[in-house]
Amino acid sequence: GQQLNQSPQSMFIQEGEDVSMNCTSSSIFNTWLWYKQDPGEGPVLLIALYKAGELTSNGRLTAQFGITRKDSFLNISASIPSDVGIYFCAGGTGANSKLTFGKGITLSVRP
Amino acid sequence: GAVVSQHPSRVICKSGTSVKIECRSLDFQATTMFWYRQFPKQSLMLMATSNEGSKATYEQGVEKDKFLINHASLTLSTLTVTSAHPEDSSFYICSASRKFELDNEQFFGPGTRLTVL
Repeated sequence: GQQLNQSPQSMFIQEGEDVSMNCTSSSIFNTWLWYKQDPGEGPVLLIALYKAGELTSNGRLTAQFGITRKDSFLNISASIPSDVGIYFCAGGTGANSKLTFGKGITLSVRP
Repeated sequence: GAVVSQHPSRVICKSGTSVKIECRSLDFQATTMFWYRQFPKQSLMLMATSNEGSKATYEQGVEKDKFLINHASLTLSTLTVTSAHPEDSSFYICSASRKFELDNEQFFGPGTRLTVL
């Protein structure tokens, strides 16, 4: 099935640095969601975006819904060790519809 | 709010036995629940979508007779892996979307690690 494009597969940053992750699609989505998954746990919803061009923040996290509705990015500012994990983007097409996920980006933060 | 639980968190069973996994929305009513499986270092693979009171919709390639889904109430869905085999060993995660909310947000449970010997 279709999958969203997330790359690179892994990112390594220094504590305190900012990091940006991108997610692209060949199809249009009405919703973009960003999740974080810790090892052995289920994904946790970080930010949900519903409008093209929308920019939303959640603490040190900022995400944007691309104007074309085919992409989104997530920024993490002033990274800390607990930001380590796998970040998934997901696109949705309507209320209660299934989501299309990216492959995820594994983030490592060096102290 | 929007908490989803799964039980058990970990199960080990013998080949040929059946295993039931429960998914509950604790503080909201879930119109729709989703079941995923995840292999190490891979993304989530949707297995099926279930709506309360109706039959589940399975993704292509997922055997409905092997992975039985029951969504008996707005807060509970169960996945039964029948006649489990070692290749069914995986991390199974459920998610739920809220009733009355016209959004696409899914809230995930903590997952169930199934090991079939």
